[in-house]
Amino acid sequence: NAGVTQTPKFQVLKTGQSMTLQCAQDMNHNSMYWYRQDPGMGLRLIYYSASEGTTDKGEVPNGYNVSRLNKREFSLRLESAAPSQTSVYFCASSDSGNNQPQHFGDGTRLSIL
Amino acid sequence: SQQGEEDPQALSIQEGENATMNCSYKTSINNLQWYRQNSGRGLVHLILIRSNEREKHSGRLRVTLDTSKKSSSLLITASRAADTASYFCARRSNDYKLSFGAGTTVTVRA
Repeated sequence: NAGVTQTPKFQVLKTGQSMTLQCAQDMNHNSMYWYRQDPGMGLRLIYYSASEGTTDKGEVPNGYNVSRLNKREFSLRLESAAPSQTSVYFCASSDSGNNQPQHFGDGTRLSIL
Repeated sequence: SQQGEEDPQALSIQEGENATMNCSYKTSINNLQWYRQNSGRGLVHLILIRSNEREKHSGRLRVTLDTSKKSSSLLITASRAADTASYFCARRSNDYKLSFGAGTTVTVRA
C-alpha cells in the first residue's frame, strides 16, 4: 500500500526554468493538498483540491499552478522558478469532512539556483 | 500566517522520561491535530481532538484541549529513541484547510 507518492524526490533547477511536481494517492481520497516547508516554519498551504475537478488557492499560491488530473493525481507546476521557491514540497490527501487526518508523501526537495 | 504555535521549539530528554509540548492558536477551531515528522520524511498523523473534547489517548500519547485558553498539549510518556522527531500541531477550521505551527523538535537521548 503506497499511500501518497511524490516524484521526483530531489531536483535542482536554474532560475527561470519550469517544472512539474507529481503526486498520486491510492487511498481513494477526495481531497488533495500541496504544501511547502521552509526551515524553522511549519507547512504552508499552496493549493488544495477539495474534490476532483476543483482547485483553490491556499496561503502562498503566487508563482504556482496546479492540476487535479483525476481523483488520484494532483500536480504542482512552477512556470518560472525563483530562488525563493527553494523548499521542500509535500503533497497530502484526505477523505472529505472536517474530522479526517491528512496523509503525506515524503516530499520533493527542490533547490533553485 | 501560522495559526498553531508550539512551545518549546526544542526539547531534549532522557529515554524513559515524559515529553510535553504545547500548542496555542488564535481563532476558533473545528479540531486540532498532532503530527510527527521524522528527519527527511513526510508528516504522520498521530491524534485528532475535536473542539468538544477535552482529552484523548492513543498508546503512549495523551492530548488535551482547552478551548477557553485556545491551547493544546501533547504528552509522550516513557519516551524511546524512536520518538526523536519534530512534532507539529495543526488547527482545522471549518473548511478543508489545516494551519500548521512551526513545530517542536524532540531529541530522546539513550
